[in-house]
Amino acid sequence: AQSVTQPDIHITVSEGASLELRCNYSYGATPYLFWYVQSPGQGLQLLLKYFSGDTLVQGIKGFEAEFKRSQSSFNLRKPSVHWSDAAEYFCAVARGATNKLIFGTGTLLAVQP
Amino acid sequence: KAGVTQTPRYLIKTRGQQVTLSCSPISGHRSVSWYQQTPGQGLQFLFEYFSETQRNKGNFPGRFSGRQFSNSRSEMNVSTLELGDSALYLCASSPTGETEAFFGQGTRLTVV
Repeated sequence: AQSVTQPDIHITVSEGASLELRCNYSYGATPYLFWYVQSPGQGLQLLLKYFSGDTLVQGIKGFEAEFKRSQSSFNLRKPSVHWSDAAEYFCAVARGATNKLIFGTGTLLAVQP
Repeated sequence: KAGVTQTPRYLIKTRGQQVTLSCSPISGHRSVSWYQQTPGQGLQFLFEYFSETQRNKGNFPGRFSGRQFSNSRSEMNVSTLELGDSALYLCASSPTGETEAFFGQGTRLTVV
């Protein structure tokens, strides 16, 4: 069965520091991979996606993610975190012709001044 | 382009009642999916509709149902509400279901 693991439940970083959020997936083929962000009480905003091709994908708000097939990982990175990045981040996997997303449990990011 | 619109934003219902939530997708999108988000279970897929047909269904009891209209707007219904149905219900739309999904703000349902 497909699954997504986000090992870090909660991360705190200082403003201006770099960030890496981990995501590992279990899937029999190359899945479609996504990162979403959710602010309190809000819906999910798509940060970036990977379908195929270049394994380093750029997203909005200065985020990027790298697909590593050998490690079944799709980690999210940002070189310099801003206070407004504080939110919960979800990694998700899907098969192609469906919108059935399987989400990880999320990583709550806190940014300290 | 307007985003995905969910109504109402907040809802309080009593155990045993039923509730209907509405979702208007982004114009031109034909796929609509529904998700339930709770602190204990996280984000879970409920079902997906494409061109008025249910294409995928998650592992939820039959009390949860949905439909999609010819204009792609979708509704989900929960009958005989239980306390455990309290959650944020999120709707997502996609042009065909084969690309990224865009989410609405959600409907916060509280069952008392």
